[in-house]
Amino acid sequence: SQQGEEDPQALSIQEGENATMNCSYKTSINNLQWYRQNSGRGLVHLILIRSNEREKHSGRLRVTLDTSKKSSSLLITASRAADTASYFCATDNWDSGAGSYQLTFGKGTKLSVIP
Amino acid sequence: EPEVTQTPSHQVTQMGQEVILRCVPISNHLYFYWYRQILRQKVEFLVSFYNNEISEKSEIFDDQFSVERPDGSNFTLKIRSTKLEDSAMYFCASSDGAGSNEKLFFGSGTQLSVL
Repeated sequence: SQQGEEDPQALSIQEGENATMNCSYKTSINNLQWYRQNSGRGLVHLILIRSNEREKHSGRLRVTLDTSKKSSSLLITASRAADTASYFCATDNWDSGAGSYQLTFGKGTKLSVIP
Repeated sequence: EPEVTQTPSHQVTQMGQEVILRCVPISNHLYFYWYRQILRQKVEFLVSFYNNEISEKSEIFDDQFSVERPDGSNFTLKIRSTKLEDSAMYFCASSDGAGSNEKLFFGSGTQLSVL
């Protein structure tokens, strides 16, 4: 089954530095999404990149996608203490014939931004 | 901004008891999901629901689990006879469409503890 796997599992940086998190997956995808989870809270959608896109920006977020390597990266520039959270990539599994859809999440990267 | 709400936030139950986790998806959304997360690790898909029926379910979603949309606003997950390994954070999510390029909106979760 498709599975996003993030690395590193944990990342600790100083405020102002950039944070890079990586995700690898196993099968072909339609799109890849990144979600953020604050401690004890639900997941919040950050950004979606389609399989025919290579790079996408949203504010301080930059996502890349390399379908030949089945990998994606999430870069947070000029990090802030408020960016401290877990970040998950999710690959879609859309079956148009069956009309079913699910996202498959990885284990996440826990980011700590030290003020 | 509209949000998915889940109740209760915490549920403690004895092994073998039945529990019902409740969710109110975003009002104009048509697709509903349950995910779970054990010990803040991987987020696992349980089931997706559309048009009053299950559209897809994972191998985790065995006969002990059921979902229902009893009225126009609630979406429930029932675990018939809880086991210790059912202890997890359960997230409800909804989306306004299905298919590729759909993002999910998650609730804050119900932490289920089975003793």
